[in-house]
Amino acid sequence: DIQMTQSPSSLSASVGDRVTITCRASQNINTYLNWYQQKPGEAPKLLIYSASSLQSGVPSRFSGSVSGTDFTLTISSLQPEDFATYYCQQSYSSSSFGQGTKLEIK
Amino acid sequence: EVQLVESGGGLVQPGGSLRLSCAASGFTFSSYAMNWVRQAPGKGLEWVSYISSSSGTRYYADSVKGRFTISRDNAKNSLYLQMNSLRDEDTAVYYCVREETYFDYWGQGTLVTVSS
Repeated sequence: DIQMTQSPSSLSASVGDRVTITCRASQNINTYLNWYQQKPGEAPKLLIYSASSLQSGVPSRFSGSVSGTDFTLTISSLQPEDFATYYCQQSYSSSSFGQGTKLEIK
Repeated sequence: EVQLVESGGGLVQPGGSLRLSCAASGFTFSSYAMNWVRQAPGKGLEWVSYISSSSGTRYYADSVKGRFTISRDNAKNSLYLQMNSLRDEDTAVYYCVREETYFDYWGQGTLVTVSS
């Protein structure tokens, strides 16, 4: 099974900050890596697919990148509505999620 | 508009069974693979099961293998999850999810509580 290690588990930041969340795969998953945002009481929402493709309707301040088995989600300038929990997911071999990163207001 | 609506959740005793359903609309259901994903209270997301568009391929997480069965009825635009031998640790919100190599549409979820 492919393990996804996401870091940090929590993060405090301010509106306007640049934020980076990292996910490491336990083996090669090509670019089969997706990022989701979840707010309390809501279903997750797809942000980035195939490591770096922006889902339709998602603001351009969200971006994704890859280097080997290390994947990064970057929010260039935090907005109040971005405070949420973020998950990475590999879809290379069945599926598995990272543990999540809770982004809180500083 | 794509819609996924889960039903069938509720309170069940340990060792009991429950069948979840997901009604799909707004897209050609028979063309898409589908998944179930769950989230225990206050915890992260856990993938549970996958079924291909034609039902020819099914996968399960190790935590539910042998106890849960995923199925679909393309004529009824419906996805199912039969859950047997339920355990306390199966308590979670269960989401029905459409797959396009990524999970692009999610239902609102149905809560399953396993407790005596």
